[in-house]
Amino acid sequence: NAGVTQTPKFQVLKTGQSMTLQCAQDMNHNSMYWYRQDPGMGLRLIYYSASEGTTDKGEVPNGYNVSRLNKREFSLRLESAAPSQTSVYFCASSELGDTGELFFGEGSRLTVL
Amino acid sequence: RKEVEQDPGPFNVPEGATVAFNCTYSNSASQSFFWYRQDCRKEPKLLMSVYSSGNEDGRFTAQLNRASQYISLLIRDSKLSDSATYLCVVNSNYQLIWGAGTKLIIKP
Repeated sequence: NAGVTQTPKFQVLKTGQSMTLQCAQDMNHNSMYWYRQDPGMGLRLIYYSASEGTTDKGEVPNGYNVSRLNKREFSLRLESAAPSQTSVYFCASSELGDTGELFFGEGSRLTVL
Repeated sequence: RKEVEQDPGPFNVPEGATVAFNCTYSNSASQSFFWYRQDCRKEPKLLMSVYSSGNEDGRFTAQLNRASQYISLLIRDSKLSDSATYLCVVNSNYQLIWGAGTKLIIKP
C-alpha cells in the first residue's frame, strides 16, 4: 500500500538553484496539498489542489509554484531557492478536502545553503 | 496571538500514567477539530477527530469545549509507544490550521 509517495527524501541546494518535489497518491483522492514544517511552528499550507485541473495558494505560496499533472500527481517547484526555504516539505491528499483525514507522504528534507 | 496554540512540552510521563494536554483556538466559528500524531522525523497521521459530545478510542479521549475554545486529549495507561508529538488541527474558515504540537515522552 503505497499511499502518498514523495521524492526526493533529502536534497541540498545552493541559493538560486531550482528543483521540483514530486508527489503521487494512489488512493484516488481529489484533494492534494503541499505543506512545510519548520521547528516550533505548525504545518503551513503552501499550495493546494481541490481537484484535478485546479490549484490555489495557501498561507505561504511565495517562492513556489505547483502543477497538478493529473489526479494522482501534484508537484512543487522552487524556481530560485533561498535559505528561508530550508524546511521539511510534506505532500498530502484527502478524499473529503479539509473536512476529512489527510494522508501524508514521508516528507522531503530540503536544505538551502 | 496564534490561531491554534499548544504547550510545546515536553511532557515527561512515567509508563502507565494518565496524561492530558490542551489546545486553544481563537476562531469561535471553527467547525471541526482533529488530533494528529507525529513520530520523530515521520509524517503526521490522524489519531482521532474531536466531536462536540466528546469521543473515546481505546485509551484516548478527546473533548471539545466551545465556550472556552479549547480541545483536549487524554491518554490513559500510557505506553512507551505513545511517545510522539501530538498536533492539534482546527478547521477555521474552511482552512486547516495546525498547532505546533506537544511533545510527549513516556519513560519506563
